Amino acid sequence: GENVEQHPSTLSVQEGDSAVIKCTYSDSASNYFPWYKQELGKGPQLIIDIRSNVGEKKDQRIAVTLNKTAKHFSLHITETQPEDSAVYFCAASRNTGANSKLTFGKGITLSVRP
Amino acid sequence: EPEVTQTPSHQVTQMGQEVILRCVPISNHLYFYWYRQILGQKVEFLVSFYNNEISEKSEIFDDQFSVERPDGSNFTLKIRSTKLEDSAMYFCASRTTGDRGYTFGSGTRLTVV
Repeated sequence: GENVEQHPSTLSVQEGDSAVIKCTYSDSASNYFPWYKQELGKGPQLIIDIRSNVGEKKDQRIAVTLNKTAKHFSLHITETQPEDSAVYFCAASRNTGANSKLTFGKGITLSVRP
Repeated sequence: EPEVTQTPSHQVTQMGQEVILRCVPISNHLYFYWYRQILGQKVEFLVSFYNNEISEKSEIFDDQFSVERPDGSNFTLKIRSTKLEDSAMYFCASRTTGDRGYTFGSGTRLTVV
């Protein structure tokens, strides 16, 4: 089955700097790659996703890139703010109808220092 | 913004007792899921449910677990005889067809003592 690895496990950046979180996956049939933000005591919230037919997607300060050949995808957050501090999870899925379970990475704790 | 609602937010139960975790998915969603997250670990898939039947389940989802959609709005996870290792955060999620992603609920923290 799919295995998703996420690096690093913790990341601390200064407010205003950029943060990059990287994930690798193993299943070449995976074609849907979402990123989730989890704040303390809450469920994962989808922040951005990308499908295998595109290489990059951007939404304001957040962007995701996908390299299908190397089987890795990355989350880029620019101009970080203290409210970006949270746990971020990457995930992968075949996203084919009902059998579209997500396989998650271990998560990274991002701390943005004011 | 539509939400997935889970109740209770926290449940404490004695080992061996049955628990039912409840979820109200988003009304026009067709696919339903349960995931769990043991403290400090990955979010893990338990089961997917579509068209009133289980479409896939993980190794974790053994005979002690069952799911139901009894009335067209609620989606429940039952653990028949809880074990200490069932202590975790349980997340319900739902999605519609096409290219839309999952929406997760806020979770139920289950503590088995």
